[in-house]
Amino acid sequence: AQKVTQAQTEISVVEKEDVTLDCVYETRDTTYYLFWYKQPPSGELVFLIRRNSFDEQNEISGRYSWNFQKSTSSFNFTITASQVVDSAVYFCALTPNTGNQFYFGTGTSLTVIP
Amino acid sequence: NAGVTQTPKFQVLKTGQSMTLQCAQDMNHEYMSWYRQDPGMGLRLIHYSVGAGITDQGEVPNGYNVSRSTTEDFPLRLLSAAPSQTSVYFCASRRQEYTDTQYFGPGTRLTVL
Repeated sequence: AQKVTQAQTEISVVEKEDVTLDCVYETRDTTYYLFWYKQPPSGELVFLIRRNSFDEQNEISGRYSWNFQKSTSSFNFTITASQVVDSAVYFCALTPNTGNQFYFGTGTSLTVIP
Repeated sequence: NAGVTQTPKFQVLKTGQSMTLQCAQDMNHEYMSWYRQDPGMGLRLIHYSVGAGITDQGEVPNGYNVSRSTTEDFPLRLLSAAPSQTSVYFCASRRQEYTDTQYFGPGTRLTVL
């Protein structure tokens, strides 16, 4: 079975705080890709990152960083020094190499309070 | 490149009416999908296509039809709208391989009264 779990439904932080969004996935495939998308209040879905199952290096892009750990089937997303513009719903997604489907988590709504 | 476009942006229907949500992409992507987004449920796959002339069902296909006559277009038809189909609909596309990033259209907010 393929599944993505984002246990944090809503998170609120004060501006400049760091925040980590959790993503846990399930798959029997040994080859797969993981993604994060951002959905700001305007509603569009914005691609943030793609990571394949063979690359466990952490990635940093500005204030964003991602921690991929196969041992715990997790792909967590950290925002450092959060800003009000980071307020959005964030989705984690999985695509295995069998089948053609993307599997999305239910999303985490982040509110950054000024 | 316009990317993935969807029309209309908003639509209100009465129960029993039919309509077509339009989706087009100009990136020459083989793979296209339709999702619906409901509060607390994330995005659920309705139908998808791996190329012109080929479509398949996703997780929640009932009440919807699709066709793919060209690489660029992938319309979603609601046959007889029901209030349970009130949702935000997203079209997405990617190149054929599963490894590729999926890009989304801006969404259509549909209300069925």
